[in-house]
Amino acid sequence: QSALTQPRSVSESPGQSVTISCSGTSSNVGYYNYVSWYQQYPGKAPKVMIYDVSKRPSGVPDRFSGSKSGNTASLSISGLQAEDEADYYCCSYAGNYTWVFGGGTKLTVL
Amino acid sequence: EVHLVESGGGLVQPGGSLRLSCAASGFTFSNFWMSWVRQAPGKGLEWVVNINHDGSETYSVASVKGRFTISRDNAKNSLYLQMSALRAEDTAVYYCARGANGLRYFDWGQGTLVAVSS
Repeated sequence: QSALTQPRSVSESPGQSVTISCSGTSSNVGYYNYVSWYQQYPGKAPKVMIYDVSKRPSGVPDRFSGSKSGNTASLSISGLQAEDEADYYCCSYAGNYTWVFGGGTKLTVL
Repeated sequence: EVHLVESGGGLVQPGGSLRLSCAASGFTFSNFWMSWVRQAPGKGLEWVVNINHDGSETYSVASVKGRFTISRDNAKNSLYLQMSALRAEDTAVYYCARGANGLRYFDWGQGTLVAVSS
């Protein structure tokens, strides 16, 4: 199975909003509402930020939101803060108990 | 709080074998699917293999089929990954993860580095 497609990098200024896209197919993102997003700082383990397309685990700021349209999922971050600078990965259920990740997006807060 | 601690990583020659372990605590281990996810140096995350609650079902990515075997010991709250016929492209940090089947997301350990090189 091929990885989901994410932009390699995005950048925005503090206080602004940014959206990271995650493109899949009708066999994964487009078919299942099991898209999750992970934040990863260099040298650290990933942390879940969004699951089931748009649900936030407890403790995740409401500045983080998720959505999906067709075969593309999106992670939006509003009111950007310096601490949001990290790598972000999307993940989707791909059927038959398997999962597929995106290639990752490096977010730079200018 | 979910706590996952991996061990067993290291340097191994191509064609060699290695067994990773993951000690779980903070949740009822036997109630959850478990996975191994890896990340090659400077690269993205790749789901590798998972196992159901009682160890009767496993699923893996094509590139490791026949070489990697996941198992679990619910009495010891432990997850394992037996890796054989290792290749240079298997070099990565291997994360033990709770989920995602059922849970719909992954909770992560801190990872253990496996380096395959002569």
